Amino acid sequence: NAGVTQTPKFQVLKTGQSMTLQCAQDMNHEYMSWYRQDPGMGLRLIHYSVGAGITDQGEVPNGYNVSRSTTEDFPLRLLSAAPSQTSVYFCASSYSPRSQNTGELFFGEGSRLTVL
Amino acid sequence: RKEVEQDPGPFNVPEGATVAFNCTYSNSASQSFFWYRQDCRKEPKLLMSVYSSGNEDGRFTAQLNRASQYISLLIRDSKLSDSATYLCVVNIYGHTDKLIFGTGTRLQVFP
Repeated sequence: NAGVTQTPKFQVLKTGQSMTLQCAQDMNHEYMSWYRQDPGMGLRLIHYSVGAGITDQGEVPNGYNVSRSTTEDFPLRLLSAAPSQTSVYFCASSYSPRSQNTGELFFGEGSRLTVL
Repeated sequence: RKEVEQDPGPFNVPEGATVAFNCTYSNSASQSFFWYRQDCRKEPKLLMSVYSSGNEDGRFTAQLNRASQYISLLIRDSKLSDSATYLCVVNIYGHTDKLIFGTGTRLQVFP
């Protein structure tokens, strides 16, 4: 019963390097999203997708790219890492964000990224 | 103004106390509301959905006030194990819906 799988769990980057955080879900959820969590700032939405081929920006999209070529996968790319991107990143999926009954977000375990 | 706002706390309460958290949202077209719990260094997990008529799950009661655009969470008979951060989540209605978190309210229950 995998749910939402995120990799890697930990990563250290140097300023200017690029990398991709992987996220996969096996629940056939249409809605997928990436959040970052920083002390005192809570969880902030980076990008989200309401289905394959559809992505949109959240609250803090700058410096990140996403794509959704399949229902299952939603990778997050850091184009040129900066120290301000040091954070914990969570991928989450939901059947339908508009519904009380099916809007529950299922989270991956998080990826801790440090940019030096 | 943030789309979803919460008092960050911390709320420090003794075991057995009743504690209440509020959360306000700015998008009047929002249709789904949730409370999540997050333990230290863990991912958030759903505590309960918030229905228009209010709903209860054991010691936890959630209320929605659409007119004033806030949701609340009441915890009765607090346990040490209730110590965590409580996050409210609201769908923001637009051309597509997205789920936005409040900053969270930290609860510490002491013996």
